[in-house]
Amino acid sequence: RKEVEQDPGPFNVPEGATVAFNCTYSNSASQSFFWYRQDCRKEPKLLMSVYSSGNEDGRFTAQLNRASQYISLLIRDSKLSDSATYLCVVTPSGTYKYIFGTGTRLKVLA
Amino acid sequence: DAGVIQSPRHEVTEMGQEVTLRCKPISGHDYLFWYRQTMMRGLELLIYFNNNVPIDDSGMPEDRFSAKMPNASFSTLKIQPSEPRDSAVYFCASRLRENQPQHFGDGTRLSIL
Repeated sequence: RKEVEQDPGPFNVPEGATVAFNCTYSNSASQSFFWYRQDCRKEPKLLMSVYSSGNEDGRFTAQLNRASQYISLLIRDSKLSDSATYLCVVTPSGTYKYIFGTGTRLKVLA
Repeated sequence: DAGVIQSPRHEVTEMGQEVTLRCKPISGHDYLFWYRQTMMRGLELLIYFNNNVPIDDSGMPEDRFSAKMPNASFSTLKIQPSEPRDSAVYFCASRLRENQPQHFGDGTRLSIL
């Protein structure tokens, strides 16, 4: 089983739709969680950190479920510019290195 | 503010040649990471440094790969000899301290013919 797993997609959604991605992780002692966004042929960029109580940044909401070992990303009122690959990142306990998921590809259609 | 700076942006070379990738982290960041990204394997951590000291090199594929960080503002990743299967995008990232997010450079797109 991979340490971090994501549905690769693609998720094709119309503009204005709400879309959600999940990411599961295998190490129950993982300590830090992030969502990164990567555009085609570009570097990954931090979208948001994921906090235990859940957190929101504009149209984006991130949640952590430690009992079921997954994190989620919800995008409301999706825009064409949201089209990208979304990477889930987990930091195992006792290390400071990132474990990346393989990414979920989102296409927002006009 | 200057971000993480990598060079070259693109490198095309023949197999067997030595390849050197360079990275300048964000000033003041204590951690530096080297990653490789391919379609098949996604983003893989190769090695990371803390205060210029290599901490974990378990992701380095084999002895052909080596990385150094002679000072806080410069790191290199060297492949010698290079092989076609080394073709990938290589990213460098830096982080201020533990539990802080990493910031990535633009990457080096490497093609080994």
